[in-house]
Parts: sequence; structure tokens; C-alpha cells
Amino acid sequence: AQTVTQSQPEMSVQEAETVTLSCTYDTSENNYYLFWYKQPPSRQMILVIRQEAYKQQNATENRFSVNFQKAAKSFSLKISDSQLGDTAMYFCAFMKHKSGSEKLVFGKGTKLTVNP
Amino acid sequence: KAGVTQTPRYLIKTRGQQVTLSCSPISGHRSVSWYQQTPGQGLQFLFEYFSETQRNKGNFPGRFSGRQFSNSRSEMNVSTLELGDSALYLCASSLNVGAEVAFFGQGTRLTVV
Repeated sequence: AQTVTQSQPEMSVQEAETVTLSCTYDTSENNYYLFWYKQPPSRQMILVIRQEAYKQQNATENRFSVNFQKAAKSFSLKISDSQLGDTAMYFCAFMKHKSGSEKLVFGKGTKLTVNP
Repeated sequence: KAGVTQTPRYLIKTRGQQVTLSCSPISGHRSVSWYQQTPGQGLQFLFEYFSETQRNKGNFPGRFSGRQFSNSRSEMNVSTLELGDSALYLCASSLNVGAEVAFFGQGTRLTVV
């Protein structure tokens, strides 16, 4: 079974600064997907970024980028130029590749607060 | 295009009652998954449906059940409610199985008293 661990329950950052959220996972699969989802107080889970394990290049989406270390089973999220609207819970998630299932395995989340 | 719609947004039920939650996926999406989110256990997978068939089920008691209709809308039912069933129930839709990206609704907040 897959497990996802987020070791930082809470983090804070000043507006315009950079912050990195950590995520490690455990799996025996070779091909899989990793995700970062954001859940603001509105409760809606919003996809931030997605990484395919068979791609060595780290995914980026505007101010969001990941550092994917497959051998170390590490998948951290870097948020550059933090904005007040980035305040939210952030969840790291794992999905098997081509498994016939969309099942996501989530970490416990990191509560990020961006301070003005 | 409308997103994933979950109804109702909030629900208060008494122990022992049953409840039905509804999820309408994004138009054209055929795969629907359900998750339970609690402060203690985090996000846990309940079940997944594709073309009206349950494809995967999480580790929840038989009181939790679901179904999917021909228009891809899905419902989940919890019978004999317990206090511990109080949670945010999230629904996610995907274009197809293997689409590898899930889009979530805003959830239904269930409180059992």
C-alpha cells in the first residue's frame, strides 16, 4: 500500500517570499503520478500541480514548482512570490499509473499562512 | 463549463438516521470518486464509480454505500449514522478512468448529533 507523509503540519511565510512544503511517499510502483492540491477555507480542493514519475523534468505552474526526487521518494512544492491568496491547506497526493483507478492517497496536509 | 456540484452543502442529522449525498460531475466526466475528510484521519478514499459500476472501494463499513446513474451523477448513502461519521464528504470527477486528474467539488459538511 502507498503512504504519503507531510511532516510540516503548519508553516508561515511573509508575502512575496518563497516557501517550500515537504512531502515524502512510499510505494513499490515504478510509474505513478504525484499531485499537490490546495484547499482554501472555501473547502474546494484545487489542483496546483501534477508530476508524472516517469518524467525527470520537474513540473512548474507559474509561481509553483516541484522538486521531484524519485530515488528519495520526495516531492516538495515551492511557492515563489507568496501571495495572501495562497493561504490554505496543501495536500500532497499519490495516484498509481494506468491502474484503472483514479484513487488518490493523500498526506495529512500542511496549513500554510501567508502574512502581510 | 460548470464544475463538480455537491448537494447539499451542509447537513445535520441525528444518530441512527440515514443520509444521502449527491454529486454531479463536470459535464462529460464519467468517473466519480468519494472521499471522507476528518481532522483526525485526514482524507480517506471511500469508493469510485465509472459507467455505473463501482471500480474500487476503501476500507469503510458496509453502512457506507454509493451508486452512479447513467448520466454519471453519483450518490452516496450512509445508514445508521454515528457521531464519528461527522465529516466533510468530497466528490471528485475525472474524464475517464486513467485520466489521471481529478477535479473536486466543494463538499458536503455532515454533522451527526
